[in-house]
Amino acid sequence: DTGVSQNPRHKITKRGQNVTFRCDPISEHNRLYWYRQTLGQGPEFLTYFQNEAQLEKSRLLSDRFSAERPKGSFSTLEIQRTEQGDSAMYLCASSPARLAGATDTQYFGPGTRLTVL
Amino acid sequence: QKEVEQDPGPLSVPEGAIVSLNCTYSNSAFQYFMWYRQYSRKGPELLMYTYSSGNKEDGRFTAQVDKSSKYISLFIRDSQPSDSATYLCAMSAGNQFYFGTGTSLTVIP
Repeated sequence: DTGVSQNPRHKITKRGQNVTFRCDPISEHNRLYWYRQTLGQGPEFLTYFQNEAQLEKSRLLSDRFSAERPKGSFSTLEIQRTEQGDSAMYLCASSPARLAGATDTQYFGPGTRLTVL
Repeated sequence: QKEVEQDPGPLSVPEGAIVSLNCTYSNSAFQYFMWYRQYSRKGPELLMYTYSSGNKEDGRFTAQVDKSSKYISLFIRDSQPSDSATYLCAMSAGNQFYFGTGTSLTVIP
């Protein structure tokens, strides 16, 4: 399978716990994005990486959220001290865009559905 | 004003009908325009992408971009029940992508 993969697919946690999600992009894709999607809404941009560098973060990304892409391949998104408002689908997408500022299309993974009780 | 506006529907059509889905946008810098299909509780699946203005056809799907009107469309010919999903438009001017809220489509057999 050469598509974007995400793990876990579902996560149920109690308020206050930390959670970590993983994304494996399409091989050789330089750019990796994280989005959050709630019911009835389109994906909302959280952050993106060009190779291992995190180039942009949304104002939606509070200090409880942190993302890494240590070797420019897979990425992790961690949410600390989860709140009920964090319940959403967390989507990862990758793009072959090779240069910062360049535009190219993107391909999504299946998402991780987070439920905070 | 949102960057991208999309009528959420829901839209219900009989099998075989032609479906027209539309989005408007405000940022004239957008150059890449995409349509995604999303089934319930799944990630968006890329259907079509277009660079700048014009038409692009792929099987039963046609994407149109009118940059002068800041208006994009997706047409689905001979719609099938398997086309029932939410359709998201997206557009980009560089590093970030902006999505519409999605239009929910049901094709009735």
